[in-house]
Amino acid sequence: DTAVSQTPKYLVTQMGNDKSIKCEQNLGHDTMYWYKQDSKKFLKIMFSYNNKELIINETVPNRFSPKSPDKAHLNLHINSLELGDSAVYFCASESGRAGNEQFFGPGTRLTVL
Amino acid sequence: DAKTTQPTSMDCAEGRAANLPCNHSTISGNEYVYWYRQIHSQGPQYIIHGLKNNETNEMASLIITEDRKSSTLILPHATLRDTAVYYCIVRGISGYSTLTFGKGTMLLVSP
Repeated sequence: DTAVSQTPKYLVTQMGNDKSIKCEQNLGHDTMYWYKQDSKKFLKIMFSYNNKELIINETVPNRFSPKSPDKAHLNLHINSLELGDSAVYFCASESGRAGNEQFFGPGTRLTVL
Repeated sequence: DAKTTQPTSMDCAEGRAANLPCNHSTISGNEYVYWYRQIHSQGPQYIIHGLKNNETNEMASLIITEDRKSSTLILPHATLRDTAVYYCIVRGISGYSTLTFGKGTMLLVSP
């Protein structure tokens, strides 16, 4: 049973296209996150949602729009893809209480050509 | 910016203990010390966390100095599968504090 799953695992697309990455967790957690890991391997927080509400937005361009249809899902839609968006995107979830661990998904490797 | 300092890389022989140090001299009283690791091409994996006391679980032990300005993650019997980047992170106790990843330590376990 996969705790945090992401689809697709790989995504190759052209500049200017719009794409979505899906994330689902079956842990019953309240809080979900999106992280971006660039080519230099730095892992940075992008967004955080708690009970379907946005609570953290780390100055991510407006082209990135997270959507949480329910507590178990946090999808990431990216408009007008740019070369610099190429990275590995990780979804994570947490129970939301202080002192807990975050569970990460396997990642989605996005390549923009 | 990450609030921790870790060595860039470390080596360990298989079967030996791996001791990974971390400095967090500006840690405040309401911040935990967390350790995660990332095996190549996988999502980060939680290892352990602590506030003041030393902690142990099935994966590792965490030793926090009395002044809380540094800590050591101990993998008691390293295996080849422990080769990964290990991240030491300080994180606030309350609210929706985030994980801020630094560069971490690349641990290479060799036969």
